[in-house]
Amino acid sequence: KQEVTQIPAALSVPEGENLVLNCSFTDSAIYNLQWFRQDPGKGLTSLLLIQSSQREQTSGRLNASLDKSSGRSTLYIAASQPGDSATYLCASRSYNTDKLIFGTGTRLQVFP
Amino acid sequence: DAGVTQSPTHLIKTRGQQVTLRCSPKSGHDTVSWYQQALGQGPQFIFQYYEEEERQRGNFPDRFSGHQFPNYSSELNVNALLLGDSALYLCASTYGTEAFFGQGTRLTVV
Repeated sequence: KQEVTQIPAALSVPEGENLVLNCSFTDSAIYNLQWFRQDPGKGLTSLLLIQSSQREQTSGRLNASLDKSSGRSTLYIAASQPGDSATYLCASRSYNTDKLIFGTGTRLQVFP
Repeated sequence: DAGVTQSPTHLIKTRGQQVTLRCSPKSGHDTVSWYQQALGQGPQFIFQYYEEEERQRGNFPDRFSGHQFPNYSSELNVNALLLGDSALYLCASTYGTEAFFGQGTRLTVV
């Protein structure tokens, strides 16, 4: 059974800090890994997608890395802002399926 | 592009009733998946539709059924509602590699 684990479950940091969110997956045949943001009671917003052939992807202050050999991905957020406060979810996808396996998320609070 | 749209936004149903949720995928996307997200949990895969057929199914009972129409829109039906079916139901559409999600339907069963 494929599993995705996210650590920490919650994080509270002051504005301006650089931070790292961790995601571990058990799928040895991962096709891609996608990071999402979810605001309370809302849907998921795609942040970054990393194909299995890639090592990292960047979008603005966000950088995501993928290490297939260790089964880990990290989401790096630079210079955090209060508007970054949300739950961050990672999801793995295997070959020959569109099914995503999600972690339980990291709830981030950035205070002024 | 309107993205993935879901209706209704919120719904309250009584235990034992039936409910239908609707999803319109992102323009050009032919694959629709449904997920259930309980409070404080990650989304759980219910099933996926492609070319009007259920292509893959997660670990959900037969009370959960679906349909995909020729225009790729989709419905999720849940029969004999239980209190435990209360959750946020998310629809995702994919074309190629990336999945895009709607805003979800919050279902409350009382």
